[in-house]
Amino acid sequence: GEDVEQSLFLSVREGDSSVINCTYTDSSSTYLYWYKQEPGAGLQLLTYIFSNMDMKQDQRLTVLLNKKDKHLSLRIADTQTGDSAIYFCAESSDYKLSFGAGTTVTVRA
Amino acid sequence: EAQVTQNPRYLITVTGKKLTVTCSQNMNHEYMSWYRQDPGLGLRQIYYSMNVEVTDKGDVPEGYKVSRKEKRNFPLILESPSPNQTSLYFCASSRGLPGDEQYFGPGTRLTVT
Repeated sequence: GEDVEQSLFLSVREGDSSVINCTYTDSSSTYLYWYKQEPGAGLQLLTYIFSNMDMKQDQRLTVLLNKKDKHLSLRIADTQTGDSAIYFCAESSDYKLSFGAGTTVTVRA
Repeated sequence: EAQVTQNPRYLITVTGKKLTVTCSQNMNHEYMSWYRQDPGLGLRQIYYSMNVEVTDKGDVPEGYKVSRKEKRNFPLILESPSPNQTSLYFCASSRGLPGDEQYFGPGTRLTVT
C-alpha cells in the first residue's frame, strides 16, 4: 500500500490540547481517516475528511488537511484520561485502507 | 447489535499446525478484510473480499488463505503457521463504498511457537 507516516508517541497533560500529525504519499487519496484503538479493543472510527475539504470539526476533534503537503492532523481539545489510546491515520482512494503505524497518546495528570 | 465477531480471541499454537480464525458480521456488508497489527508497523492488509466468492490479496498475503462462501463469514486460514505469523489479527467489514467506515472485530492474538 501507499506510505502513511505518523510519529509513534505523544505525551500530553490532562486538559491541554493534543495534536497528532500524519503524512501520506498517495496523491489520489480521496478520504482520510482517524481511528482510535483502546487497549485490548479493535479500531473505532473517530472522524474522517474528504480530500476537497481542509478542515472538519466535531466536538473536541478538529481535523486539518493540507492536500498540497499531504499532511493531516488531528487536534483533541481539553484532552482527558479517556483519550489515552493509539490513534491511527489512514487513507483510501477506494474501499481499501492504508494505515500508519499509530501514535500512542498518553495523558498524564 | 451491529458487530463483527472473531474467534478465537487468543490462540497459542505450534509451527505447522493448520488453524482457522473465524470472522462473522451481522450488518449484511459486502466488503470484508483481514489485517495484521505489528508494533511499529500499524495495520497491514492480508486479504479482502468484495462479495461472496470474490477475494483478493492485500499487502501481505503470503502464508494465508481466505474464503467467502457466505456473505457474513470470512475465515482466515493458516495452512502451516510459522513464528513470523505471531501477531494481532483484525477482521473488518463495510458496505464497500468509497469513504465508508470499516467496522472492526475485537482482534485475535495469535502466538506461533
